[in-house]
Formats: sequence, C-alpha cells, structure tokens
Amino acid sequence: ETGVTQSPTHLIKTRGQQVTLRCSSQSGHNTVSWYQQALGQGPQFIFQYYREEENGRGNFPPRFSGLQFPNYSSELNVNALELDDSALYLCASSLSPGWDSSRNEQFFGPGTRLTVL
Amino acid sequence: AQTVTQSQPEMSVQEAETVTLSCTYDTSESDYYLFWYKQPPSRQMILVIRQEAYKQQNATENRFSVNFQKAAKSFSLKISDSQLGDAAMYFCAYRSARDGGTSYGKLTFGQGTILTVHP
Repeated sequence: ETGVTQSPTHLIKTRGQQVTLRCSSQSGHNTVSWYQQALGQGPQFIFQYYREEENGRGNFPPRFSGLQFPNYSSELNVNALELDDSALYLCASSLSPGWDSSRNEQFFGPGTRLTVL
Repeated sequence: AQTVTQSQPEMSVQEAETVTLSCTYDTSESDYYLFWYKQPPSRQMILVIRQEAYKQQNATENRFSVNFQKAAKSFSLKISDSQLGDAAMYFCAYRSARDGGTSYGKLTFGQGTILTVHP
C-alpha cells in the first residue's frame, strides 16, 4: 500500500509568483487536508477536500486555493506569494472526513518545503 | 476557538529512562479527540497515540501512554524505556468530534516539544 506522497520536495520562488503543490492520497482515501508549518511551529490547517469539494477552511486568505481530482489527489495553489508563505506544506489523507474515529485518522505526507525570496 | 499549548519547547531523556511531555488545551466542546504526533527530522508526521474524550480510560500503545485529565484539560504523553529512535519533535493536537462547520476535519496543533534522547 502506497502512503501519502507530495511533490516537489523543495521549491524556491520569488515574492509575487504563484506556486502549485501536489499531493497523492493513500489508496482508498477520499479526503485530503492541507497544513502550513512555519519553521519551529506546529502545523496550521489550511483547508480540507472531500470528494472534490472544499469541506472546511482555516484562517487563510483566498489566494490559498485548492483542487481535488476524481482520483482524490489534490493540489494546493498559492497566488501572489509573500515572504511569510515560506514554510513546510503538509498534506494528509483519510478514509473519510467524518466523526467515525475508525475512518478519520489523517495520514501525513513528507511535505513540500517552500522558500519565498 | 480551540487552542493547544505545549509549554516545554525542549526535553531530554537518557536512553531506557521515562519522560513525560505536557500538553494543555482549551475548548468549550465536550466531545473531541486528542492526539500525539511525532515528527522526526525526515519531516513525516506519524501518529503516536489518540484519545477519545468520551473514554475515561487512558490510551496506551506499547511504550507510549497518556494521562488524560478532562476536567483540567490536560493531556500528557509518557514515553517509557526511551529509545534513540524516539528523538523527534512531538506535537499535541486536538480535533472536534462534531460534524459540519467551517473547520471540519481540522487538527489544531500545539507548538511542539523537541525530544532529545541521550545514549
């Protein structure tokens, strides 16, 4: 069974550019959540996708957007990059988004390290 | 809004000894989950242990156990017989058990505790 994978591993962009990060969910998982982890901090919830629809969102501006595809893989897009967007971006997948604790455990990928210069 | 606080930025332990990592949280909800995650230098976040708030019994996973004090909103992690491979950043996290809402599926993390294991 393949776990959660993310690409690229590292990325360097300049302020004002746009970036797309990719995540492949674990086999059988239909729910993907994205988190931003600044250096030395805990991850912050960006949003969650369930069956191709945004299912919940944290306190991030609209320039953070996402997509989920029919195969449940997902993209995180960030427009107009700012220096503070430099962080590790984590993707996590789960069997479902719901309350059932046997199905909602989030499995994390290794992350994409984004540096904005 | 829920908050999670880890007051120990760094902890250290000798191999084979026991260490306890602290976590407190704030919520007005009665039904929720609490987690401890481990993030080694490889960056991949790994679930160590989970606790459902409605369960009074403390969760245990091999050498890892928790002390869940619901009234005090405290959730500490005890690592027994520490091993070199336990060295990592440890995060305490909270998740609501309610369906719906704009923060659906959201894990709220603390700031993390760096655990060093000395041989």
